[in-house]
Amino acid sequence: GEDVEQSLFLSVREGDSSVINCTYTDSSSTYLYWYKQEPGAGLQLLTYIFSNMDMKQDQRLTVLLNKKDKHLSLRIADTQTGDSAIYFCAELNNAGNMLTFGGGTRLMVKP
Amino acid sequence: DTAVSQTPKYLVTQMGNDKSIKCEQNLGHDTMYWYKQDSKKFLKIMFSYNNKELIINETVPNRFSPKSPDKAHLNLHINSLELGDSAVYFCASSQDRALSYEQYFGPGTRLTVT
Repeated sequence: GEDVEQSLFLSVREGDSSVINCTYTDSSSTYLYWYKQEPGAGLQLLTYIFSNMDMKQDQRLTVLLNKKDKHLSLRIADTQTGDSAIYFCAELNNAGNMLTFGGGTRLMVKP
Repeated sequence: DTAVSQTPKYLVTQMGNDKSIKCEQNLGHDTMYWYKQDSKKFLKIMFSYNNKELIINETVPNRFSPKSPDKAHLNLHINSLELGDSAVYFCASSQDRALSYEQYFGPGTRLTVT
């Protein structure tokens, strides 16, 4: 089956940039997503990128996609304490019938 | 206003029992899902319903039976609970059955089987 991997933990200082990385195995992915999960809450879609794009920027968020290496990253500029959460990447397969999530990266922002 | 709500939030029960988790969405969405999040935080889709019709049924034991009385509700009934069923279960909904659509998640139900 498809596989999506993320590092477990990232710690940054408030005001710094955070980069959360994700690798996946399905070379025919169509959409790739970043979801955010705050404590005690469900996942919330942050942003997504279509597989024919290299980069997408949305305010403080920048998504980079390297299809050759099957690597997705989420950069958060000027990280705030409110950004502390678990971030999940997910990929949608070519058939559009399977959405595979990674295990999540816990981001801790220190004041 | 809670878009996708689940009850209960926590559920502790013994092996062999039968339990249900309820999910409701007030977004007017046509499609609802159940996911299981294991101890390593991996999220796996279990079921998907579109307008009360089952459209995705992943390899899940028959002990798990979803029920959709109407398109705003998707309940999960689990028979003969086992230790391995301990996990956080998330309900979600989306506007359309295509998985490319944004999914809105509930807060999760933490099930502990002892």
